[in-house]
Amino acid sequence: GAGVSQSPSNKVTEKGKDVELRCDPISGHTALYWYRQSLGQGLEFLIYFQGNSAPDKSGLPSDRFSAERTGGSVSTLTIQRTQQEDSAVYLCASSPMMIAGGRETQYFGPGTRLLVL
Amino acid sequence: QKEVEQNSGPLSVPEGAIASLNCTYSDRVSQSFFWYRQYSGKSPELIMSIYSNGDKEDGRFTAQLNKASQYVSLLIRDSQPSDSATYLCAVNKRGGNNRLAFGKGNQVVVIP
Repeated sequence: GAGVSQSPSNKVTEKGKDVELRCDPISGHTALYWYRQSLGQGLEFLIYFQGNSAPDKSGLPSDRFSAERTGGSVSTLTIQRTQQEDSAVYLCASSPMMIAGGRETQYFGPGTRLLVL
Repeated sequence: QKEVEQNSGPLSVPEGAIASLNCTYSDRVSQSFFWYRQYSGKSPELIMSIYSNGDKEDGRFTAQLNKASQYVSLLIRDSQPSDSATYLCAVNKRGGNNRLAFGKGNQVVVIP
């Protein structure tokens, strides 16, 4: 009965380095979301995966951000050439098969706290 | 105009009182509305969902939805110190991806 897991829990990196953040969704959940939460701010949508459909990348803030989801399960969010403004908590969520009207619950992981020095 | 707005500042309520949180949204055709609770340093957890106009009660929590006014609220009755957290309003976006648009959140502090 594991929930959404994310790794690492904390990441400190130097400006200009690349980072990879990992998300393991709840088993059987077909939808996976990445959000970013900056200090004192709400959650900002980044990218969405649903089954085998093409991902919705409309929330990615720049081309330095990319994500993939392998085998419909684990997802990796990659930030290239990190900048200080990338410092935030990166949250992953998953939900079961889509329900009409968007009623499915999104379950959040514990997040990865990224600090770019 | 922001997709989801929660304008109130931190809310302090005495233990046992009612905490009232408000949220407005801009997309008139939104269909699903959620309240998440987020403790400091933790991830959001769903506490209420509402889809139809009117009230929905679950324990000490009541969600209220008024689609005509594009307004959703959360009432916490008999507030407890354990209710001290940030409450995030989330609205399902229309379209194919069902992504949620979140407000910035309201911090609630319950004073013993």
